[in-house]
Amino acid sequence: NAGVTQTPKFRVLKTGQSMTLLCAQDMNHEYMYWYRQDPGMGLRLIHYSVGEGTTAKGEVPDGYNVSRLKKQNFLLGLESAAPSQTSVYFCASSYPGVAPSSYEQYFGPGTRLTVT
Amino acid sequence: AQTVTQSQPEMSVQEAETVTLSCTYDTSENNYYLFWYKQPPSRQMILVIRQEAYKQQNATENRFSVNFQKAAKSFSLKISDSQLGDTAMYFCAFMLDVSGGYNKLIFGAGTRLAVHP
Repeated sequence: NAGVTQTPKFRVLKTGQSMTLLCAQDMNHEYMYWYRQDPGMGLRLIHYSVGEGTTAKGEVPDGYNVSRLKKQNFLLGLESAAPSQTSVYFCASSYPGVAPSSYEQYFGPGTRLTVT
Repeated sequence: AQTVTQSQPEMSVQEAETVTLSCTYDTSENNYYLFWYKQPPSRQMILVIRQEAYKQQNATENRFSVNFQKAAKSFSLKISDSQLGDTAMYFCAFMLDVSGGYNKLIFGAGTRLAVHP
């Protein structure tokens, strides 16, 4: 049981390049999330998904797109990277069930992205 | 809108001593959950402790305990017998109880804790 995994762990992009971050979970969770972590700001929600085929905007969605074609995968795309998107990106998952244990989010190890 | 404030950007403590990290939050709702997450240098986010707002009893997990003051909207974390492995960034987080729906997790800016030998 690997939990939540993220690919890649590190990446350096030039301004204007595109890339996709992959998140995978093997816990059969319905809900998945993408966050970004910047110094002094904690984690902020970019997009989330409450099930296969569904996505929704979070707090800071501009410049990102997501897709949830399979229940276990949640992809985060940057179509034209900008230096402001330099950050650490975390994926998380959770399942709707009996409170309160169902409200715990399980996090991946993060991806450090630098845009030059 | 809900907000979470951690007023201590950095703290340090000697090994085996006790340290308290502060967190305040703002909400007009009555049903919610509060969390403390630990992020060591490995970057992995680890859930330390959870408190349900409807419970008056403070949550404890081994050396970690909270002081939950609902009226004051305060949620501090106490680490007893600090260990070198407790060195990490600690995030306070808030979640509304939206039964059957999506539960948004709102994080504070974090407190960097250093445990010294």
